[in-house]
Amino acid sequence: KNEVEQSPQNLTAQEGEFITINCSYSVGISALHWLQQHPGGGIVSLFMLSSGKKKHGRLIATINIQEKHSSLHITASHPRDSAVYICAVVMNRDDKIIFGKGTRLHILP
Amino acid sequence: EAQVTQNPRYLITVTGKKLTVTCSQNMNHEYMSWYRQDPGLGLRQIYYSMNVEVTDKGDVPEGYKVSRKEKRNFPLILESPSPNQTSLYFCASSWEGKVYSPLHFGNGTRLTVT
Repeated sequence: KNEVEQSPQNLTAQEGEFITINCSYSVGISALHWLQQHPGGGIVSLFMLSSGKKKHGRLIATINIQEKHSSLHITASHPRDSAVYICAVVMNRDDKIIFGKGTRLHILP
Repeated sequence: EAQVTQNPRYLITVTGKKLTVTCSQNMNHEYMSWYRQDPGLGLRQIYYSMNVEVTDKGDVPEGYKVSRKEKRNFPLILESPSPNQTSLYFCASSWEGKVYSPLHFGNGTRLTVT
């Protein structure tokens, strides 16, 4: 079993829909990152969380440390949101980073 | 402009020929790290460095070396590349050594070992 699991693996939605991507982990962590990778390959950091909730524009990220779960929400989705979204956790025992396998999001116009 | 610069972007080499992929950041970040990305396996951490002269193994360090002699540079060295090291490589940096700040990624290096 992977230590970081993301769901769904693939998601296709219509423009304007509310999107939720989930990340569950089985290790103790000190922080969790949400990353975005566009088809060109570049990786951009969206959020770094250690507790609670963060919002940036149409993106919202939440984390529940007790339940070892984080969600990334996109409101009013747009075709430019089409990308792979990756969850990454920083392990508190040694500061290594381990990644989920990503969620491929496709927003149709 | 604040950035992480990797070179080269593309590299084709042959088995056993030593190579170095450079990574440099201009943000005075303490933390730097290397990752490889493979289809079906996602991103995996190779090595990381919390500060100058401090390096630690990630999940997949075999076949790789790194050094952190100065804060801005963190080269990845493949002493004897093999075809299973064909991959897309990313370097990243972060302000705080404990990775409590956002990761800044380079543009990637696509390596092919024949």
